Amino acid sequence: SYELTQPPSVSVSPGQTATITCSGDKLGDKYSCWYQQKPGQSPVPVIYRDSRRPSGIPERFSGSNSGNTATLTISETQAVDEADYYCQVWDNSAVIFGGGTKLTVL
Amino acid sequence: QVQLVQSGAEVKKPGTSIKVSCTTSGYSFSSSDINWVRQAPGQGLEWVGWMKPSGITGYAQSLQDRVTMTRDASSGTAYLELRSLKSEDTAIYYCAKGSDRGPHFDYWGQGTLVIVSS
Repeated sequence: SYELTQPPSVSVSPGQTATITCSGDKLGDKYSCWYQQKPGQSPVPVIYRDSRRPSGIPERFSGSNSGNTATLTISETQAVDEADYYCQVWDNSAVIFGGGTKLTVL
Repeated sequence: QVQLVQSGAEVKKPGTSIKVSCTTSGYSFSSSDINWVRQAPGQGLEWVGWMKPSGITGYAQSLQDRVTMTRDASSGTAYLELRSLKSEDTAIYYCAKGSDRGPHFDYWGQGTLVIVSS
């Protein structure tokens, strides 16, 4: 079955750029999306169709997807961005989530 | 505005069944898929399955023998039934609306905590 691999954790200083990767076989051939989940809350989409931002999501969130890697980039990271981030794709009519990455802003 | 409101938390004994509801509003229920996703305590997201407006369903392989998804278009409510509950089914269960802009979930319910314990 298809698998997506994310780093368990990423740390970034406030104001710096955070990069979270998601790896899978020929991932660039699929549409990827990213969800942000804060403690005790439901996930919220921050990127869909590889690089599109839903309304209300700050411009500092961006995404790309090529080859075997999708990337979520958060520019000028703020303390409010500290959360778990999950990548997601569809494969053979099934939804696949990455294992999640805990972003720490310190 | 779009809302998905789920039923309340439940505690169940192993071997029993549970049915979680997801009542929608603010959009055309008959035009969007409903997906279910679960999250065990301290763990990541796990997809459970989807249901199209037509009623066609698709389930995660690991759960397909124990899960059934249904919907009541008249009330805009989707249901998830899970049978033969095991302790490892303890999780928060989320319903999520499929987006018409891309293969992602644009709105999520608040989650329903299901605890399976003897």
